[in-house]
Amino acid sequence: SQTIHQWPATLVQPVGSPLSLECTVEGTSNPNLYWYRQAAGRGLQLLFYSVGIGQISSEVPQNLSASRPQDRQFILSSKKLLLSDSGFYLCAWRKGEASNQPQHFGDGTRLSIL
Amino acid sequence: AQSVTQLGSHVSVSEGALVLLRCNYSSSVPPYLFWYVQYPNQGLQLLLKYTTGATLVKGINGFEAEFKKSETSFHLTKPSAHMSDAAEYFCAVSGASGTYKYIFGTGTRLKVLA
Repeated sequence: SQTIHQWPATLVQPVGSPLSLECTVEGTSNPNLYWYRQAAGRGLQLLFYSVGIGQISSEVPQNLSASRPQDRQFILSSKKLLLSDSGFYLCAWRKGEASNQPQHFGDGTRLSIL
Repeated sequence: AQSVTQLGSHVSVSEGALVLLRCNYSSSVPPYLFWYVQYPNQGLQLLLKYTTGATLVKGINGFEAEFKKSETSFHLTKPSAHMSDAAEYFCAVSGASGTYKYIFGTGTRLKVLA
């Protein structure tokens, strides 16, 4: 069966520090991968998605970047965090390119910026 | 363009009462529709999905939803609420083949009263 792992579960970082959040998927190949941010009461905001190694699509211009160095690894990064980067970050995967397939989510990372 | 509207950001029901969470969508192509549940500090878990075929879809934990094209609705129901159903629920839509994005509603927080 397929599983998705995100870490760390919680993170407290000072303003201006760098960020690296990692997501890995097991039990499938060539998944579509997604990063979302969830702010309280505002639903899910799509940040990035990737359909293959090295292929990243950005949805919102911001202080963050994403990379996909391996087929089942998706990394969210920042060089300098802002207060507005606080939130709950979710990684998700989807099987293949069929839009009738559901997304499957990791357990998320709670990021607090001080 | 696709969109999703969840009516009622907060819904309260008594234990044992009917649960009805509303979702209306807008889509220029036949939609694929999903309901997810999120417990505190966790990721989203798929409850059920509609792709094609039977318009009444049964999911996990006793939930079901009915796709009504004429009403552009996909409301989530459960005959009898349980305390463990207290969570946030998200409706999502995706569209034509080759679409990578999912549009999520802003969520409905369900409270179950003893």
